[in-house]
Amino acid sequence: SQQGEEDPQALSIQEGENATMNCSYKTSINNLQWYRQNSGRGLVHLILIRSNEREKHSGRLRVTLDTSKKSSSLLITASRAADTASYFCATSVMNYGGATNKLIFGTGTLLAVQP
Amino acid sequence: KAGVTQTPRYLIKTRGQQVTLSCSPISGHRSVSWYQQTPGQGLQFLFEYFSETQRNKGNFPGRFSGRQFSNSRSEMNVSTLELGDSALYLCASSMLRDTSYNEQFFGPGTRLTVL
Repeated sequence: SQQGEEDPQALSIQEGENATMNCSYKTSINNLQWYRQNSGRGLVHLILIRSNEREKHSGRLRVTLDTSKKSSSLLITASRAADTASYFCATSVMNYGGATNKLIFGTGTLLAVQP
Repeated sequence: KAGVTQTPRYLIKTRGQQVTLSCSPISGHRSVSWYQQTPGQGLQFLFEYFSETQRNKGNFPGRFSGRQFSNSRSEMNVSTLELGDSALYLCASSMLRDTSYNEQFFGPGTRLTVL
């Protein structure tokens, strides 16, 4: 089963605009990660934010985390056609049974950046 | 450093057959996880191995199994294939024992088609 939902399911913008996608999850987490996937290929790790962090930046990416609302957002600024891809949030959940590298993925947002 | 490799990249099988997929993690990574991605169910966690031990298993039938070798390479096997097993199977490797502070690196995936 999936941890949560991503919103919107699909987003179409023009090059140079900003893109914001949201992720909600259900259970307590260790961290939340964002991944990009180009057309049915492997996942590329974008950024990791820990549960005790509220905001993180990496290049044109800005991620926020609100653990009280169990939600996160990914902002891509000054988007480029090459940013066209599916974006997934993934949570590392608290596992009281022991250490784990299991990730639970959201449903994904399909971003199309028009040149 | 070479990335995560998966073989084969594409596979076509018929119902009732069995299949074995292989994953070679990044050198030095001891954790390997497997995920199934389908349009209907999204990204679903299959299982995770660390130092040859299965630490976690997703909600999949017993037809799905896996193992990890002493060199950290991993294989997953699906027996008695069903049409619904058609999917992209992704392998991810991680250096640390616990995903609290570390990212995972994904391979390009194996696209399995069951006819």
